[in-house]
Amino acid sequence: DAKTTQPPSMDCAEGRAANLPCNHSTISGNEYVYWYRQIHSQGPQYIIHGLKNNETNEMASLIITEDRKSSTLILPHATLRDTAVYYCIVLSNAGGTSYGKLTFGQGTILTVHP
Amino acid sequence: EPEVTQTPSHQVTQMGQEVILRCVPISNHLYFYWYRQILGQKVEFLVSFYNNEISEKSEIFDDQFSVERPDGSNFTLKIRSTKLEDSAMYFCANPLTRLGYNEQFFGPGTRLTVL
Repeated sequence: DAKTTQPPSMDCAEGRAANLPCNHSTISGNEYVYWYRQIHSQGPQYIIHGLKNNETNEMASLIITEDRKSSTLILPHATLRDTAVYYCIVLSNAGGTSYGKLTFGQGTILTVHP
Repeated sequence: EPEVTQTPSHQVTQMGQEVILRCVPISNHLYFYWYRQILGQKVEFLVSFYNNEISEKSEIFDDQFSVERPDGSNFTLKIRSTKLEDSAMYFCANPLTRLGYNEQFFGPGTRLTVL
């Protein structure tokens, strides 16, 4: 699976958009970009994923650059409850024994301030 | 909203004792996973379980660990002889849908403390 690079920490004001970047310059053609988050002391939570098109769901939007070497997770109106560690994970959706094996890095600690 | 449940929420044990951590998954998906997180460190993959067999395991998952599906719905993670370094949060997870293997629903975790 491709390696990802994320800033260690970011701050955001409550009500503003939080834009979390991720670099994945070695991503291959069949690899997707997944985002998870972990609120303190809880299990990781799936947020969104995409291959090459931008994606949006009720939690967030995912913008993937045309060359697919980087992406941005956008929380449009951050709240205090969005304070968490955000993980960008790149992996294939192909079959095989590694199906669903998530490899978490250090992620980005997002702190949302009042 | 359906939930993955894990019991106990906190387990304290003496070094060398056996512990069994339990999980009730959110679905009857064929895939099931265990992860652990040592305090202050990243979440680490332990083992994947597919169709009642271990599919893949990490180097952490040595002979002291075992995983079972004792009654067709619950899953267990057993550590036969606990060590101090086994102290961690243990999370189970399983996919949300049959199509999205990488979109996983995690349980709240069991905090294991080995004294």
